[in-house]
Amino acid sequence: DGGITQSPKYLFRKEGQNVTLSCEQNLNHDAMYWYRQDPGQGLRLIYYSQIVNDFQKGDIAEGYSVSREKKESFPLTVTSAQKNPTAFYLCASSIGGGNWETQYFGPGTRLLVL
Amino acid sequence: QKEVEQDPGPLSVPEGAIVSLNCTYSNSAFQYFMWYRQYSRKGPELLMYTYSSGNKEDGRFTAQVDKSSKYISLFIRDSQPSDSATYLCAIGNTDKLIFGTGTRLQVFP
Repeated sequence: DGGITQSPKYLFRKEGQNVTLSCEQNLNHDAMYWYRQDPGQGLRLIYYSQIVNDFQKGDIAEGYSVSREKKESFPLTVTSAQKNPTAFYLCASSIGGGNWETQYFGPGTRLLVL
Repeated sequence: QKEVEQDPGPLSVPEGAIVSLNCTYSNSAFQYFMWYRQYSRKGPELLMYTYSSGNKEDGRFTAQVDKSSKYISLFIRDSQPSDSATYLCAIGNTDKLIFGTGTRLQVFP
């Protein structure tokens, strides 16, 4: 059963703490993406990766970091430099090959600050 | 001006109504047009996608694209309470994909 999994479903961050959100896909997709969703602002692109061992900054990359060591995995770290991290984080993937079309999303991780 | 504009709603309709959801865009180079449905606290799921002007139908859903007016629509016929969700348009090309802010739809019995 192919799809995208994200964990955890809920994550709590303390001040000054780095936290890592997991994203795994078994769709054999080359491209993976991280978005942040805030009420009334739609989806904003944080980072994306079109191929293993390569990734690019999106529109709001400051305070975040990623890695792409395996095709199936694209973890996102929210660092202490991100001052307003409370949001719903969505991971997506697509076939890739330089195209941005038809992205498939995971169930999301809600990050809250303690 | 935002590259993609979408009326946030909320839209509240009775069961069985025809619903029209709309987005406008500013970049004539955009060539992918998609609609996603997002239930509360879930990830978006792809509903419809098209690349050309005209209509594309899938069951109770019809996606319409008018490239000359830079306007896309999603029509839902015979709306059901299970259609209650936020609908996101996504428009782009080979360089980027821009999501609308979403329209919240409530279908009441």
